[in-house]
Amino acid sequence: RKEVEQDPGPFNVPEGATVAFNCTYSNSASQSFFWYRQDCRKEPKLLMSVYSSGNEDGRFTAQLNRASQYISLLIRDSKLSDSATYLCVVNTGRGYSTLTFGKGTMLLVSP
Amino acid sequence: EPEVTQTPSHQVTQMGQEVILRCVPISNHLYFYWYRQILGQKVEFLVSFYNNEISEKSEIFDDQFSVERPDGSNFTLKIRSTKLEDSAMYFCASSGWTNEQYFGPGTRLTVT
Repeated sequence: RKEVEQDPGPFNVPEGATVAFNCTYSNSASQSFFWYRQDCRKEPKLLMSVYSSGNEDGRFTAQLNRASQYISLLIRDSKLSDSATYLCVVNTGRGYSTLTFGKGTMLLVSP
Repeated sequence: EPEVTQTPSHQVTQMGQEVILRCVPISNHLYFYWYRQILGQKVEFLVSFYNNEISEKSEIFDDQFSVERPDGSNFTLKIRSTKLEDSAMYFCASSGWTNEQYFGPGTRLTVT
């Protein structure tokens, strides 16, 4: 089983739509969870950390389900500028600092 | 807003040559990392560095690779004898006491 699995997409949505991405991870000892976004040929940029209680930052909401080893990201009121690849990132438990990245889910927001 | 910087942005080298990729982490950060991303593939962890020593490394980080913090600001990745398969984007990242890692813009390494 892959360590971090994501649907590669692409997800094609119109501006203003709500879109949700899911991610599963294999290591039950993982302690830190993040969503990053990556634009084409650019560096990953931290979007948000994901906490057990769930967290929200403006139009973005992240949820964590430790029992199912599942992370989600919800984007409300999509903007053209949200078009990017969204990376689910987990520390693997081998060490606090080792991050394992999913391959990413591509989002395309159209006018 | 403080950011991680990397130089050069693009490095072309011949197989067998040594390359040094440079990074300046965010100034008050204590943990430093190198990752690579082969074109079309996922980001992969190479090594983490704390308190002037390697704290973790992946299977990719073999004897051909080394890291150094030669002064108070720079963090370098050296590849001793480059191979074609080393061609990738190399990202430096840094973090403070939390595990939120901030990435630099990357160095595109092309080995010919």
